[in-house]
Formats: sequence, structure tokens, C-alpha cells
Amino acid sequence: GAGVSQSPSNKVTEKGKDVELRCDPISGHTALYWYRQSLGQGLEFLIYFQGNSAPDKSGLPSDRFSAERTGGSVSTLTIQRTQQEDSAVYLCASIKGARTEAFFGQGTRLTVV
Amino acid sequence: SQQGEEDPQALSIQEGENATMNCSYKTSINNLQWYRQNSGRGLVHLILIRSNEREKHSGRLRVTLDTSKKSSSLLITASRAADTASYFCATRRTMDSNYQLIWGAGTKLIIKP
Repeated sequence: GAGVSQSPSNKVTEKGKDVELRCDPISGHTALYWYRQSLGQGLEFLIYFQGNSAPDKSGLPSDRFSAERTGGSVSTLTIQRTQQEDSAVYLCASIKGARTEAFFGQGTRLTVV
Repeated sequence: SQQGEEDPQALSIQEGENATMNCSYKTSINNLQWYRQNSGRGLVHLILIRSNEREKHSGRLRVTLDTSKKSSSLLITASRAADTASYFCATRRTMDSNYQLIWGAGTKLIIKP
């Protein structure tokens, strides 16, 4: 597709369940970010993939969070044993080059009940 | 940690007036970018200004960059109700060899009809 695609758009899950969020970046973009945004707040960096380099996982809030990027393209963010504080919008962005802008998906709104 | 800091945190003006938002940062940068976010979903890139540029225009948007003061401003002229959104600045630091973007906390702009 022409833009960054995220799925699902909305996800309601029960506390304790695992969830998987998917991001399909723009073809040819070498860098991919995951961010979390709570209501009315700024972007919280989670993890960053660039080419074949080891990902920067420094933003992951706990070991319940993990992410993969397969084949340098699609990425999956997995949250295990979800908690209510995990409720937020999860945003994915991809970048073509070091000095260019980021393109964002529309996000996944996660609600843990 | 966040490098960019926007001010004001919130701004409410009448339609037709000009809106000015500011962004300050701490370290040397390669470029600074402004983004808009509607309704807590994906961010949309507005303007990228490089460290060797001082001013850039795009339609009703004007961005300035003062590297000596480590600050940037975003001016929206003749504001419209549709400009109501949150605006974020992001910087690419010179020190980073990767594609990392450092985000500010955002300014919430409300245009009153």
C-alpha cells in the first residue's frame, strides 16, 4: 500500500490476555518505530528497528513487551499478560532515510478491561 | 529522554488569527520536523527544516529555526477550525548515527469558530 498500515484499528482485551499488534511499513523504508501514546500525552518511544542492525529496545516498559520485524518489513508488537495500564494508542512509523520524515500509521487503540 | 519541549502546552485562539508554537531542544541537530495529530491517531508530517536553514514556508505554515538559541517556531497564519489539532516537534540529533527522532510533548491548538 501507499502508507503505513496498522491492524487492528481497535482492540479490546481482557486483563491477563496476550495481544499482537501489526505494522506494515512503506515498502523500501529501512527504519521502523513503535510508540505508545496515552490520552492527551506525548509519544513514548518503545522500540526501533533499522535495517539489519540489532533493534533498540530501550523504551520497552517491561519484559511483557516484545517486538519483531520479519524480513525487514512487517513488524509485530506483542504484549503478554496485558494490564490496564497498557491501555493506550500504539503508533507505528517508518522512515526511508536518516534525514527524511517519518510516516505514521493510524495506530491501534488498545483497551484492557 | 525528551529533547524537544513545545510551548505553550495548549493554545486557544479565534478563527482567522495567527497561531505560534515554539519548540526548544538541547543538543546539536541535523534537522527539526513539525507534525500534526488529529484526534489521537497517526501523526502527519508538516515541515522539515535542516540545521543550515533559517526559515521555511509551506502554504499557511511558516517555520523558523534558530540554532544559536536551540529553538524553532511554527506559525500558522489565518487559522481555520480544521487546524484544531496537537502539534509536535521532533529533532534528529547530530550525535546519533541512526535514524532516531526525539519528540517533544506537543502543543494542543484549539481554533474557536
